[in-house]
Amino acid sequence: AQSVTQLDSQVPVFEEAPVELRCNYSSSVSVYLFWYVQYPNQGLQLLLKYLSGSTLVKGINGFEAEFNKSQTSFHLRKPSVHISDTAEYFCAVSDKDGGFKTIFGAGTRLFVKA
Amino acid sequence: SQTIHQWPATLVQPVGSPLSLECTVEGTSNPNLYWYRQAAGRGLQLLFYSVGIGQISSEVPQNLSASRPQDRQFILSSKKLLLSDSGFYLCAWWGQGNTGELFFGEGSRLTVL
Repeated sequence: AQSVTQLDSQVPVFEEAPVELRCNYSSSVSVYLFWYVQYPNQGLQLLLKYLSGSTLVKGINGFEAEFNKSQTSFHLRKPSVHISDTAEYFCAVSDKDGGFKTIFGAGTRLFVKA
Repeated sequence: SQTIHQWPATLVQPVGSPLSLECTVEGTSNPNLYWYRQAAGRGLQLLFYSVGIGQISSEVPQNLSASRPQDRQFILSSKKLLLSDSGFYLCAWWGQGNTGELFFGEGSRLTVL
């Protein structure tokens, strides 16, 4: 069975500072990895995804993530955050057999302060 | 392009009352459909998924049920709501040719009093 652990429930950071949101996963099979963002009272939208190939993945809004197979991690980073990045971020994993089930972490609330 | 719609957006129901949340997808055929529940501080919990009409898999034993009467329609129901059913319910779809990502509706917030 797959599982996802997001190590920080809340991350406060000042505007224009860098940020890293941490994610570790466990799985016995090859997986796809995702980061989604959720703004208040909305559904989730995809930030970026790792399917194969280059371990550094770039997404929307200046975010990027690095897949580390040996450490089973997929941490999300942004070099300089904006107030508008305040949201909840979810790491997720699905197996490569067709995406039948995607498992999400508990989420990390990013709070950007002026 | 594909779109997904959920309704109602907000619902306040008394304990013991029935529930019906509806989700429809447009612009695609034979999608995998999912219901997730989001409770505060607990992330997204997969409740049900469906790979075709009439095919429902339940992930968590609970007071809820799901049905898929048409290819692009997914319904979440309950005969008698519990306080613990309160939460934010999200419908999502995954289609063939898609590279694994889910597309979510706007969500339905249920408060059981």
